This record gives sequence, structure tokens and C-alpha cells, in this order.
Amino acid sequence: DTEVTQTPKHLVMGMTNKKSLKCEQHMGHRAMYWYKQKAKKPPELMFVYSYEKLSINESVPSRFSPECPNSSLLNLHLHALQPEDSALYLCASSQRQAFMNTEAFFGQGTRLTVV
Amino acid sequence: RKEVEQDPGPFNVPEGATVAFNCTYSNSASQSFFWYRQDCRKEPKLLMSVYSSGNEDGRFTAQLNRASQYISLLIRDSKLSDSATYLCVVRSTNDMRFGAGTRLTVKP
Repeated sequence: DTEVTQTPKHLVMGMTNKKSLKCEQHMGHRAMYWYKQKAKKPPELMFVYSYEKLSINESVPSRFSPECPNSSLLNLHLHALQPEDSALYLCASSQRQAFMNTEAFFGQGTRLTVV
Repeated sequence: RKEVEQDPGPFNVPEGATVAFNCTYSNSASQSFFWYRQDCRKEPKLLMSVYSSGNEDGRFTAQLNRASQYISLLIRDSKLSDSATYLCVVRSTNDMRFGAGTRLTVKP
């Protein structure tokens, strides 16, 4: 199983809503990532979890709140988003340090629209 | 300065052409390097890892120059199906960062 599964695939939410994006992998990867990708731009790193601990927060606004409840799951909680937060949100996972040359696997992403 | 700089493109080439993409990175502690391909409205997928000795996979050749902090991808005999955005990816201990991506269109 070399899959990263993201749900939902599409999400439309209002600016006052609270929603969560979910990401799951069963490859035993201990590094998991959230990226935000706007149209015609590369993925931008938001958060990195290493061994279920947050290791990088790229100065992301607090309306985005990550959570890693266990080694297979990564959530991104959304609250009071702005229309400019509309984007494709990608989750990825990879082996940790000892296997640096191994690839990262990406989920298909959640296409988020904030109205 | 961005951590990973990449040729902006776009590249529009005829079938059969050879095309090269380049990327530079600023973090000398970077440890792993990759080229990913991303099709429109899809997630990035690994094209190939990049090793210090250079490596080849069919029509694709990747090279790494650690001294110059430079990565390249060469595509020979371009096919229509090679049309996509090519992203260089640089991993260090804690993170994984993308170049801006280069859009390639191969035309008949």
C-alpha cells in the first residue's frame, strides 16, 4: 500500500464555518506534511510533523490548526477562513531521516473553496 | 531569496526535442533531491530521485552538483505525454521544499 488518502476531495465552506481535512497513510512513514497550492503555483509548505510532533510551522495563520493524533493520521482544522485561503491542500508522507533518499508520497488533495 | 529556485519556463517544444530544466537550492545542508511531475489538477508524482553520481531512467537524466547546489533534468526525444509541470524538490532533515515548477508543453 503506497497510498496517501485525503478526505474530502472537495470542500466548500463559509467564512464562519469550522471544518477539518483528513489525511491517512499506512506505509509506516513518520514524517507527514501539509502543503497549500494555488493555481499555477508550486506547493507551499505549511506544516511538518515528525514522529507525531510538530517540527515546522511556516508562519501559518492560526485559522489553520494541524493535528497528528497518531502515526497514520494527519488532520488540518479550519476555522474562520478567508476567500484567499481557497486552494488545493496536499498532504504528503515520507520516511524519516535514515531514509532520506526515499520519495515522498502525496495524496490527491482537497480542493477547498471558501465563500 | 527562495530556498529553491527553478527555471520559470514555460517550455514549448516539438515532439522529439531535447529539453533541460535546472534548479538551484540555497540550503547547503539539503540531503535529498527529486524531480516530481504534476499534471493539471493532480497531485505531484515522483519522476525520479537525483543522485550525486547522476542517474538515468530511459529518456530522463538527472544530475546533481553539490558544490554548485544545482540540480538538472534532461528529457530526450520528448513525447506528447511529457507535457506537464516539472518540479524540483529538495529535502533536508526536517522539511521538503519545491521549486516554482516549469511548465512543459510538447507539440506535434
